[in-house]
Amino acid sequence: QVQLQQSGPGLVKPSQTLSLTCAISGDTISSNSAAWNWIRQSPSRGLEWLGRTYYRSKWYRHYALSVKSRIIINPDTSKNQFTLQLNSVTPEDTAVYYCASSYANGLDPWGRGTLVTVSS
Amino acid sequence: QSVLTQPPSASGTPGQRVTISCSGSSSNIGTNTVNWYQQLPGTAPKLLIYRTNQRPSGVPDRFSGSKSGTSASLAISGLQSDDEADYYCATWDESLNGFWVFGGGTKLTVL
Repeated sequence: QVQLQQSGPGLVKPSQTLSLTCAISGDTISSNSAAWNWIRQSPSRGLEWLGRTYYRSKWYRHYALSVKSRIIINPDTSKNQFTLQLNSVTPEDTAVYYCASSYANGLDPWGRGTLVTVSS
Repeated sequence: QSVLTQPPSASGTPGQRVTISCSGSSSNIGTNTVNWYQQLPGTAPKLLIYRTNQRPSGVPDRFSGSKSGTSASLAISGLQSDDEADYYCATWDESLNGFWVFGGGTKLTVL
């Protein structure tokens, strides 16, 4: 059974980079049947999918248009985890950030979430 | 503004049946299956229904899902007090390079 453990700072200053990590247990990040996603939730924007990475003979990354110019999602095969980097953050990026796996049945399971506040 | 449209609230009394709707378009619900999630305060969304009408193990058969055209529904029968939560629909949207889309959520109150 896949489990996801999130880590990273809860406070980021405006214009800096938000960095979060999601450690995977119960499967490998290079699985040919999984994708690894980042999603955020805020009162103003609701649930918003940010992007994903997955391996199908090579690594793929897909990002939401709303953050495409600022986001990088990277796999780390040595640690069986994946990371989120969101650059040039503003207070509008304040949200609870979740990692989630997706298999044939959809986004499941999710990490426990990390509240990230963008403030000086 | 969420891509999928849900009513912001729903309510019912214990034992009643309630339904929550989710409206989309031909590029999302019209093409793909729908998932439903239950979110309790301070916790991550939990998968309730997958592939439109399938329940993960451990989810009571009081919960059921259906789809018609570009709309989907979640039905909860025999309403219980601990069903009080936020419910979200989600599906894959085929436009552009593809992306996950969500409803704005429905707050279910058990009166």
